[in-house]
Amino acid sequence: GQQVMQIPQYQHVQEGEDFTTYCNSSTTLSNIQWYKQRPGGHPVFLIQLVKSGEVKKQKRLTFQFGEAKKNSSLHITATQTTDVGTYFCAGNSGTYKYIFGTGTRLKVLA
Amino acid sequence: GAVVSQHPSWVICKSGTSVKIECRSLDFQATTMFWYRQFPKQSLMLMATSNEGSKATYEQGVEKDKFLINHASLTLSTLTVTSAHPEDSSFYICSAKDSRAFDINSPLHFGNGTRLTVT
Repeated sequence: GQQVMQIPQYQHVQEGEDFTTYCNSSTTLSNIQWYKQRPGGHPVFLIQLVKSGEVKKQKRLTFQFGEAKKNSSLHITATQTTDVGTYFCAGNSGTYKYIFGTGTRLKVLA
Repeated sequence: GAVVSQHPSWVICKSGTSVKIECRSLDFQATTMFWYRQFPKQSLMLMATSNEGSKATYEQGVEKDKFLINHASLTLSTLTVTSAHPEDSSFYICSAKDSRAFDINSPLHFGNGTRLTVT
């Protein structure tokens, strides 16, 4: 079945450093969504990417969808302690089902 | 708009009892809802697809007799964990798709989740 992997699994950064998480799907995706989950909380929707090669920005966050629509990335510029949490990508292969990635847990050291 | 309400937000039950979790779309109709389970420090695993007026579709490895899903109306799906055991303790979260959104790329709307602890 479809698998969605993310790397790295964990990332510790100093506050102010940049952070990137990569998402790779075993199948071509119709679209991909990104979520952030704070410790003890529920996933919160961040953004959705649909088009091949699409790049979207939200303040310090930059999201990219690969040309082949099988991979995506989330880049955070100048991390802050409020960025702490686990970032998940979730891919849709055209069946309305979203398969979540394995997640990247970000820890920001002040 | 597009709010999904999940209830209860947390529940503690004794081993052997059953627990029902509700997922409601508050301002839209949802013919399809999805149920996920998340163990501590792990990803969300899709358990089943709930279809209004028909049987749910379960993912491989998910026991349909243990996790009963009912989607009797366009705004409500329920997940009942039957004869719960400590290993069923987890975070359960639902998501719903707006029936008016025919585009396959329309986003899903997630509930806040239910944290189940079985003692």
